[in-house]
Amino acid sequence: DAGVIQSPRHEVTEMGQEVTLRCKPISGHDYLFWYRQTMMRGLELLIYFNNNVPIDDSGMPEDRFSAKMPNASFSTLKIQPSEPRDSAVYFCASRPSGVQGPAFGPGTRLTVL
Amino acid sequence: KQEVTQIPAALSVPEGENLVLNCSFTDSAIYNLQWFRQDPGKGLTSLLLIQSSQREQTSGRLNASLDKSSGRSTLYIAASQPGDSATYLCAVRDYGQNFVFGPGTRLSVLP
Repeated sequence: DAGVIQSPRHEVTEMGQEVTLRCKPISGHDYLFWYRQTMMRGLELLIYFNNNVPIDDSGMPEDRFSAKMPNASFSTLKIQPSEPRDSAVYFCASRPSGVQGPAFGPGTRLTVL
Repeated sequence: KQEVTQIPAALSVPEGENLVLNCSFTDSAIYNLQWFRQDPGKGLTSLLLIQSSQREQTSGRLNASLDKSSGRSTLYIAASQPGDSATYLCAVRDYGQNFVFGPGTRLSVLP
């Protein structure tokens, strides 16, 4: 099992540009989570999906953020337009139904200049 | 709203010492609690998961305990090694799907 796969691993962009982060969850996992980690706020849940359906997006900071899960093996997190305060590490995680905890991807380090 | 704190924020110990990391949470209505390890520039690796009905879990040199009524968990690391150096985070899951993470304890084990 390759684990949760995220791309790109690093992204540097300029303010105002569109950024798309990608995630491939572990096969068979029903839940997919997007987290953001910063020094100031730690790890924060942005949104999670169950069986490809967005369930709770209350953590999405602004309308500039959107997430999709068109199928069970792919999800995207898009920021449009990006701002310097969006600079953070974005993690994708997935887990199966039941008691098991989430498995995290390696993260995407986003820098917005 | 659930809040998770961890003490200490950072810890430096010589190799071979036994150590305890602490995690506190404000709402005892949790589904489970999980301890993670995060190496610099890397994702999170799950160490131990304790269900709300359990008191402790053990894996190798690691032992995690849970006292739900007092809102506390501890992670005990026996005979620490330089390879244990990392940031350790605890996370509590409510009866939905939300995990609330603590800020972490940054551990350095000196050879």
